[in-house]
Amino acid sequence: AQKITQTQPGMFVQEKEAVTLDCTYDTSDQSYGLFWYKQPSSGEMIFLIYQGSYDEQNATEGRYSLNFQKARKSANLVISASQLGDSAMYFCAMREVGSGGYQKVTFGTGTKLQVIP
Amino acid sequence: EAGVAQSPRYKIIEKRQSVAFWCNPISGHATLYWYQQILGQGPKLLIQFQNNGVVDDSQLPKDRFSAERLKGVDSTLKIQPAKLEDSAVYLCASSRHNTEAFFGQGTRLTVV
Repeated sequence: AQKITQTQPGMFVQEKEAVTLDCTYDTSDQSYGLFWYKQPSSGEMIFLIYQGSYDEQNATEGRYSLNFQKARKSANLVISASQLGDSAMYFCAMREVGSGGYQKVTFGTGTKLQVIP
Repeated sequence: EAGVAQSPRYKIIEKRQSVAFWCNPISGHATLYWYQQILGQGPKLLIQFQNNGVVDDSQLPKDRFSAERLKGVDSTLKIQPAKLEDSAVYLCASSRHNTEAFFGQGTRLTVV
């Protein structure tokens, strides 16, 4: 079974509009975390936002917010006021803690976001 | 603070040749990861180090791939011999214990 599922291969959004990128996850751990990363065409992975499973409030970082619905096992990324520079691949990832106490991070397949002027 | 450094940025080799990639993590980061990202896919973890010890290499094709992290700092990933399907971007990342990972710019490998 897929640990992280991103069902939207590609998304379009008008500049200045908000967009939601979907992510669902599968884990039996009680303690885990969700990350979102941005990968522009240059190739590097840029950390955007993190949500821990015990965090009661949804994480926010500037124009990025994470809509965390624990019962549904979803952690959608919301980008407000889209900018042309937001065009990139976006990856959802999950952190679980292995038996040795180290974290294991698994990535989804990504969503390609294109911002239209 | 300086980010994760990787070299080379690009490499083209013929199949059956060998290749090595180098990674210098962020200072003080105990955890180092090597990921393989095939075009159009998400990164796949190849190997994870905690200091200079391997904590996960379950997806590393050990018949051809090897990695080491001497002195718990720099790391090298080697492929010998390379196959066509090894064409991918190899991403190195580092993190403090159980926190977000920071990535280097990656090495784009093309095997012809």
